[in-house]
Amino acid sequence: SQQGEEDPQALSIQEGENATMNCSYKTSINNLQWYRQNSGRGLVHLILIRSNEREKHSGRLRVTLDTSKKSSSLLITASRAADTASYFCATDFKNQGGKLIFGQGTELSVKP
Amino acid sequence: DAGVIQSPRHEVTEMGQEVTLRCKPISGHNSLFWYRQTMMRGLELLIYFNNNVPIDDSGMPEDRFSAKMPNASFSTLKIQPSEPRDSAVYFCASSLTRDRGLETQYFGPGTRLLVL
Repeated sequence: SQQGEEDPQALSIQEGENATMNCSYKTSINNLQWYRQNSGRGLVHLILIRSNEREKHSGRLRVTLDTSKKSSSLLITASRAADTASYFCATDFKNQGGKLIFGQGTELSVKP
Repeated sequence: DAGVIQSPRHEVTEMGQEVTLRCKPISGHNSLFWYRQTMMRGLELLIYFNNNVPIDDSGMPEDRFSAKMPNASFSTLKIQPSEPRDSAVYFCASSLTRDRGLETQYFGPGTRLLVL
């Protein structure tokens, strides 16, 4: 499967700690995106990183991309209880006709 | 902008009935995606349209599922006849697709379908 694989599947931390989620994939990509899903809601786009980029920041989020290892990580710094959600990576594979493939997600729980 | 609009938000039906899910994408977006999310299978792409034309329907589970996009502002996903295993949350998403790869997808709130 070309689907991005995320780890860990679940992560529980205390407020104020950093949370790191990883995503690995198997074939070449155009870009990789991270989304958040709160329980019972739709997915919300967090950040997009292109294949020629290595790192991007957005507020407390930091995303890295290592195309040689075919992996990406999402770091949330100084986590808050409101960050509790599921986080998905989604890959836009080359030669896939323009569709995103979503991973299974990491369920993050931030305890106050 | 109101974002992607889906209706209904919840649907409970009996096995064998026809179900129609509706989606209004964000104005100006040229790509529309239908996804299904379940605990067992995660988020699956069912079909997507570009400029109202179906591009890839390889994710449609079987002939009971059909999708249309008669114009740039409306799409439907129909299940006929519905079965209990179709119970899931169905998401519609839209995007502005450019040559350099897919851009951000904007998701609707989803339709929670329960087939009894």
